[in-house]
Amino acid sequence: EDKVVQSPLSLVVHEGDTVTLNCSYEVTNFRSLLWYKQEKKAPTFLFMLTSSGIEKKSGRLSSILDKKELFSILNITATQTGDSAVYLCAVKNNAGNMLTFGGGTRLMVKP
Amino acid sequence: SAVISQKPSRDICQRGTSLTIQCQVDSQVTMMFWYRQQPGQSLTLIATANQGSEATYESGFVIDKFPISRPNLTFSTLTVSNMSPEDSSIYLCSVTLAGGPYEQYFGPGTRLTVT
Repeated sequence: EDKVVQSPLSLVVHEGDTVTLNCSYEVTNFRSLLWYKQEKKAPTFLFMLTSSGIEKKSGRLSSILDKKELFSILNITATQTGDSAVYLCAVKNNAGNMLTFGGGTRLMVKP
Repeated sequence: SAVISQKPSRDICQRGTSLTIQCQVDSQVTMMFWYRQQPGQSLTLIATANQGSEATYESGFVIDKFPISRPNLTFSTLTVSNMSPEDSSIYLCSVTLAGGPYEQYFGPGTRLTVT
């Protein structure tokens, strides 16, 4: 059974801080790892990672995958209050198209 | 990406009744899925909606409780039948777009409360 573990469970920082969110996984026949931001109901897609060592970047957010050590990190620099959300990590295997989600990291950015 | 709409956005229903949730996508998609997120929990896949045939359900979910239709490539419905308070959740439609790279996107969700 595929498994995804995120850490920390929650995090409180101040505006301007840099945060690193962690995602470790165990999956048979790994295909991809995806990061989402969930503020209210719908998870918003951030990144999809398939290759080890290649950083994906979008503005202040970046992510990298280590397929040897089976983990990924999501970095947010110069955090803003609008970054407050639950960040979800999910993995997909080659057997199907099912996403297995981690429990999420709840980030709160204080002014 | 794609524009995914869901109706209704929220509802409050009485136990024993049923609710049908609709999902419409503005692009050609390959796969459509239905997820559930119970309060304080992460997302759990209910089923994969297959065009023109029966949905593929995950362990713990059955067709009698969660019948799903997908009459064409861009539309699907999920019905939550004979509801109980334990069915109170956010229900989310999700798609992967045709032509790759097969990123997966979520609709805005339906917040269901069963009293």
